[in-house]
Amino acid sequence: DAKTTQPPSMDCAEGRAANLPCNHSTISGNEYVYWYRQIHSQGPQYIIHGLKNNETNEMASLIITEDRKSSTLILPHATLRDTAVYYCIVISAGGTSYGKLTFGQGTILTVHP
Amino acid sequence: GAGVSQSPSNKVTEKGKDVELRCDPISGHTALYWYRQSLGQGLEFLIYFQGNSAPDKSGLPSDRFSAERTGGSVSTLTIQRTQQEDSAVYLCASSLKGTGGGSPLHFGNGTRLTVT
Repeated sequence: DAKTTQPPSMDCAEGRAANLPCNHSTISGNEYVYWYRQIHSQGPQYIIHGLKNNETNEMASLIITEDRKSSTLILPHATLRDTAVYYCIVISAGGTSYGKLTFGQGTILTVHP
Repeated sequence: GAGVSQSPSNKVTEKGKDVELRCDPISGHTALYWYRQSLGQGLEFLIYFQGNSAPDKSGLPSDRFSAERTGGSVSTLTIQRTQQEDSAVYLCASSLKGTGGGSPLHFGNGTRLTVT
């Protein structure tokens, strides 16, 4: 699976949009981009995933560049409860990698009042 | 609906004792995974079950670790003769399908194991 690069930390003011970038320049055509987050003392929480097109759900939006080498997770109106470690991972649609998620160090997002 | 449930939430055991950790996946999910997370570290894959296929045990760190999944639902992770380095949060996840591409993993809140 392609390796991802994320900034180690970011700050965001409450109520503002949080834009978390992720680079995955070696991504291949059948690999999805997934975002998870982990709040202290909880298991990772699935946020959103996409292949080529931008995606939106009740939690966030995912913007994938046309060349698919990078993506941005957008939390449109960040709240204090969104403070967490955010992980961007890439995983292929098949083969043997299935659930062997490899979480890097992620981005520590701190939302402040 | 109910998410992935793990029990106990916390377990303290003495070095050398055996422990069993339980995972109840989301109903209807065919795939089940065990991971562990040491303090301040990322997730370490342990084992993967998919339907009736033989499990992928490639992540188990030693033969003291084993897991089973009965009836395609509940899973138990067993650690024999626990060591202090086994102290970690053990996370279980399930997904609707086995392939990771279009089937997100849903995690429980884990069992925090402390070996004294």
